[in-house]
Amino acid sequence: NAGVTQTPKFRILKIGQSMTLQCAQDMNHNYMYWYRQDPGMGLKLIYYSVGAGITDKGEVPNGYNVSRSTTEDFPLRLELAAPSQTSVYFCASGLDVLGPLQEKLFFGSGTQLSVL
Amino acid sequence: AQKVTQAQTEISVVEKEDVTLDCVYETRDTTYYLFWYKQPPSGELVFLIRRNSFDEQNEISGRYSWNFQKSTSSFNFTITASQVVDSAVYFCALRNLGMYSGGGADGLTFGKGTHLIIQP
Repeated sequence: NAGVTQTPKFRILKIGQSMTLQCAQDMNHNYMYWYRQDPGMGLKLIYYSVGAGITDKGEVPNGYNVSRSTTEDFPLRLELAAPSQTSVYFCASGLDVLGPLQEKLFFGSGTQLSVL
Repeated sequence: AQKVTQAQTEISVVEKEDVTLDCVYETRDTTYYLFWYKQPPSGELVFLIRRNSFDEQNEISGRYSWNFQKSTSSFNFTITASQVVDSAVYFCALRNLGMYSGGGADGLTFGKGTHLIIQP
């Protein structure tokens, strides 16, 4: 059971480059999230999705884009990388918000991104 | 707006000591959920517990216990007889589900985490 799979694990970008962080889950979860974790800080929500075809902004969406064409995949796109986007990025998924399984999030192992 | 405060940035104790990690939250909603997650050195976050705002019963799971006090907006986490494998960063998090949250599907609000070091 793979759970939430993120790729790549590490990446170094130059300022202005673009890249896509991949996230896939095999648990048939409707809810998926992208968080960033800066040193000494908690996780901040970038974007989230409540199902295929539906995405919405979180707390810190500027500089990022997402898409959700399938239930399984939720890629995060950085169009013009900036040093402020140096962070560890976590993808997460969850089954339900209000139901009995109420939001136990499953996290991927993270992508460490450096923009130089 | 909601907020989660973990005032302890780092705690270091010797193995077998008991240790309590503090979590204080702020929210305008009456319906919300509180969580604790563990982030070991490997990096992934591991779910530990979820508590809803209507259930103030304390919970014990092995060496772990949680004390939820709505009157002081706190949800503290205690590890009894700590072990080296407990060394990790622990995050407290909040999710609102009430009228101020727009429905609740907007993710968790995390504290900054407490780095727990258990020395052998």
